[in-house]
Amino acid sequence: QVQLQESGPGLVKPSETLSLTCTVSGGSISTYSWSWIRQPPGKGLEWIGYFYYSGSTNYNPSLKSRVTISVDTSKNQFSLKLTSVTAADTAVYYCAREEGSYYSGWGQGTLVTVSS
Amino acid sequence: QSVLTQPPSVSGAPGQRVTISCTGSSSNIGAGYDVHWYQHLPGTAPKLLIYGNSNRPSGVPDRFSGSKSGTSASLAITGLQAEDEADYYCQSYDSSLSGLYVFGTGTKVTVL
Repeated sequence: QVQLQESGPGLVKPSETLSLTCTVSGGSISTYSWSWIRQPPGKGLEWIGYFYYSGSTNYNPSLKSRVTISVDTSKNQFSLKLTSVTAADTAVYYCAREEGSYYSGWGQGTLVTVSS
Repeated sequence: QSVLTQPPSVSGAPGQRVTISCTGSSSNIGAGYDVHWYQHLPGTAPKLLIYGNSNRPSGVPDRFSGSKSGTSASLAITGLQAEDEADYYCQSYDSSLSGLYVFGTGTKVTVL
């Protein structure tokens, strides 16, 4: 069974870049799509974007100008970069495996706080 | 940014049946896109409960069932148990914004 684990700084300063990595175990990252999803405090889930194993990406239009998702197949990892962060980007960030438009595996989530 | 609307909360006594609605529009559920459901306990990884409108992954009890009609979908929990107390989210695809996966607003299920 696939397992995912997020890692990265828990605190990022305003205007800087948020960088997170998701390590995948129990399955190859060279199949399926790999996504990032976030949940601001007290709010619902928001899809950030995905990287498809063929190399294509798709991002939430509201975040598209600031988001990059990339994959490192040698490490079985994929990453999220979100630039020019503000307090509104404070959230629990989840990585997930997409399988036919649904998410069949999720990480535990990591809280990222944007504050000076 | 949720375009799928769910009731904020539902509750029921142990053993009862509860349903959670997920209301969308002609650009998502009404366009024929599948609806999926997740159970989420704070601090843990969300868990896939229903995929493709009504299919249960292996290991999910048959107390959970899903359906879809028109621009809405529903999740039913029969024989409610204390361990079912959690947040539940529906999810689908929306074609109105260059391809966007959308989640519901979320529903807190309380077991009385």
